[in-house]
Amino acid sequence: NAGVTQTPKFQVLKTGQSMTLQCAQDMNHEYMSWYRQDPGMGLRLIHYSVGAGITDQGEVPNGYNVSRSTTEDFPLRLLSAAPSQTSVYFCASSYSITGDQETQYFGPGTRLLVL
Amino acid sequence: AQSVAQPEDQVNVAEGNPLTVKCTYSVSGNPYLFWYVQYPNRGLQFLLKYITGDNLVKGSYGFEAEFNKSQTSFHLKKPSALVSDSALYFCAVESSARQLTFGSGTQLTVLP
Repeated sequence: NAGVTQTPKFQVLKTGQSMTLQCAQDMNHEYMSWYRQDPGMGLRLIHYSVGAGITDQGEVPNGYNVSRSTTEDFPLRLLSAAPSQTSVYFCASSYSITGDQETQYFGPGTRLLVL
Repeated sequence: AQSVAQPEDQVNVAEGNPLTVKCTYSVSGNPYLFWYVQYPNRGLQFLLKYITGDNLVKGSYGFEAEFNKSQTSFHLKKPSALVSDSALYFCAVESSARQLTFGSGTQLTVLP
């Protein structure tokens, strides 16, 4: 298994540009999520999905859109990038949302710089 | 709302000495607590978790954590630190629907 993969690893955008951060997992996990990591603030949840076709907002959803058309993929879209969105973005997944608290597995991250 | 506090931004310890990275939490109901480690330019790696049961949880790489309900703490410990343990450590608490709330992180430096 490749686990959780993210592309690209690094991206530079100009203010106002749009882009999609890709996330895929091959573990048949129901739950997927996106976090952003900023210095001194830990990781903050942007959006999450409990299954194909179901998404919901996390702590900091403004400026980001998501969709979940398949179990494997969970792309994060920036519609109009702003310098405040300069961050490191992590995708995570886990098998289920019920029962024992499953461990979440994290991708390697995407570094985004918005000029 | 749940929250996690890591009161130390930086912890320095000599190789071979015991290490402790502190974490306190605030949740309603039973806490589900995690420790993750992040090496430079890498994603987060799972170390250990507390769901229920024994207050001393053993995890990867010789780490363990002690859950203390009365002090609402979940400190990470290791009896003998290695230089390779130097990394950024995150404590987290999980809500329903798998939402993790992270602390701000503690940079551990093990000095040779």
